[in-house]
Amino acid sequence: KAGVTQTPRYLIKTRGQQVTLSCSPISGHRSVSWYQQTPGQGLQFLFEYFSETQRNKGNFPGRFSGRQFSNSRSEMNVSTLELGDSALYLCASSGTAQETQYFGPGTRLLVL
Amino acid sequence: GQNIDQPTEMTATEGAIVQINCTYQTSGFNGLFWYQQHAGEAPTFLSYNVLDGLEEKGRFSSFLSRSKGYSYLLLKELQMKDSASYLCAVRKGSSGSARQLTFGSGTQLTVLP
Repeated sequence: KAGVTQTPRYLIKTRGQQVTLSCSPISGHRSVSWYQQTPGQGLQFLFEYFSETQRNKGNFPGRFSGRQFSNSRSEMNVSTLELGDSALYLCASSGTAQETQYFGPGTRLLVL
Repeated sequence: GQNIDQPTEMTATEGAIVQINCTYQTSGFNGLFWYQQHAGEAPTFLSYNVLDGLEEKGRFSSFLSRSKGYSYLLLKELQMKDSASYLCAVRKGSSGSARQLTFGSGTQLTVLP
């Protein structure tokens, strides 16, 4: 079974721009969660989608948004980028067995 | 809110045993996970505990005490490749509802020859 895939793997943007990241979950998994990882704050929960609906949202500003498609693929969008948005963005998918979350390789975003 | 504490750094010798502790405070507890993360890579699932007791998986074991809000990850026969950050994560939420993992800051383990 293929794992979680994320595209792109690396991205460089400038302040004020917007960015869209993509995540394809493990086949059969319907839940997709997004996390931001920085050296200072560690891994922080952004939001979770299940069957195209946002089920849960972390404590991030409205500039961070996401969606999920009928095939369970998910995208997250960050608008009006700030320098502090530079981070590793991780996507994790889970199925029904214990609902363990399996992480993708991440997208490393650098905002200049 | 949730509070998860784990040591920042640990050092051990190849072939030895190391125990990484994790304490947490949360409401609606629904499981504790351990992940391994090598530098520059994504976290990899190691173990899951939802009931009290010990779960063993090869060289790795994880223990949970829900009444004490305490877990540990035990790594035996340490190998150089075990040098990584070990993340403790607590899940809250009931089955079928919104689930969320909250991660500790991670314990950076260095295995020395």
